[in-house]
Formats: sequence, structure tokens, C-alpha cells
Amino acid sequence: LAKTTQPISMDSYEGQEVNITCSHNNIATNDYITWYQQFPSQGPRFIIQGYKTKVTNEVASLFIPADRKSSTLSLPRVSLSDTAVYYCLVGDMDSSYKLIFGSGTRLLVRP
Amino acid sequence: DVKVTQSSRYLVKRTGEKVFLECVQDMDHENMFWYRQDPGLGLRLIYFSYDVKMKEKGDIPEGYSVSREKKERFSLILESASTNQTSMYLCASQGGEEKLFFGSGTQLSVL
Repeated sequence: LAKTTQPISMDSYEGQEVNITCSHNNIATNDYITWYQQFPSQGPRFIIQGYKTKVTNEVASLFIPADRKSSTLSLPRVSLSDTAVYYCLVGDMDSSYKLIFGSGTRLLVRP
Repeated sequence: DVKVTQSSRYLVKRTGEKVFLECVQDMDHENMFWYRQDPGLGLRLIYFSYDVKMKEKGDIPEGYSVSREKKERFSLILESASTNQTSMYLCASQGGEEKLFFGSGTQLSVL
């Protein structure tokens, strides 16, 4: 089964850039890499998605090396409201319908 | 905006009861998923469905069944609820490029 690995937790301060890396050695050729954000007592919310190289939107950037065995979510100038759990999601080689979440990274942003 | 609606936000049931968790999506998505989320364990896939009347087991299907009679509705059934099924249950539907849309979750307590 495909598997992802992320740091369990990270601390940061307001205004800093935060980079969270996810390892996914068995990613399938046609799979996308997607990151989600989850606040307490809510369902996860889509942040960004990419296939290769770099993707940027209004809230984050996603860096994917050529071998696609990892990806890095970059949050520029975090604020207190970015405190949440961040999940990395990739496709499963055994079944394209089975999407496996990583363990999640709990980001704490301090004042 | 895509809307995924879970019928109950909080639910309290007794051991041995039959429990139905309902989920409805309004975007005509083919794929729908049920996850459970427990502290320290992240999101774990229970079942998913890729078409009406089609279903596949996820990572932890034991003690659960599902029903997909209509495309927009995906139901999770606990035939005989047990205390170890106390959890947050999250439903999701899948749009293009593997992007998942989650409901707000149902916090189920089995006493």
C-alpha cells in the first residue's frame, strides 16, 4: 500500500514561512498530490494540489521534485489562524479509488 | 460551491443499536467515501463507493456496512454499535483530479 510520512508536529511564529514535507515513495504515475487543512471539529478542507514541479495559489505553494517521491507545502507568512492539522494525500497504486491520508502534521503558530 | 451534508452533527447511541449515518452531495460526483477520525490516528478509510450500488472496503470495514442506492447519497451503517465505534465520522465526495470535499462530520458516541 502507498504510504505517506509527515512530521507529527511543527511550531512557528506569526509572520514566518512554514514548510511541511511529505514523503510518498510509492506514488502512482498518474496520481496527484493534494494537501488538506483541518481545524478542530471540522472536516478537512482542500488547500492545494499538484502533479509535478511547483504550484502556487493564494494561500500556499507546493513544491514537487522530479522523482515525485516527496512534496513540500509552503505557507508564507503564517498567522494564528493557520494553526491546524495539515494532511498530505496521494493516490494508492493498488486502487485508484483508495486515497490514503498521511498521519497529518499539527502546526502551532505562536504570537 | 460543492456541498457535502451529513445528517447529524452529534449522535448518542447505545451499545447494540443499529445506527445510520447519512451523507448527501450536490455535485453529481461518482466517488464517495466514509472515514473515521480518532485522536492520534488521523483519518482512516472505512468504505468508499465509485458508483451507485458499488462499494469497496477501505482499511477498517469491520463492524460497518454501506449503502449507495442513489448517486447523491452514501450511507454508513453500524449494524450493532459498540463502544469502540465512538468516533468522528467524516463523509467526502470526490471531484475531478482526486480533489475531496468533506462534510462537517458526525461525532458519534456509543454508550
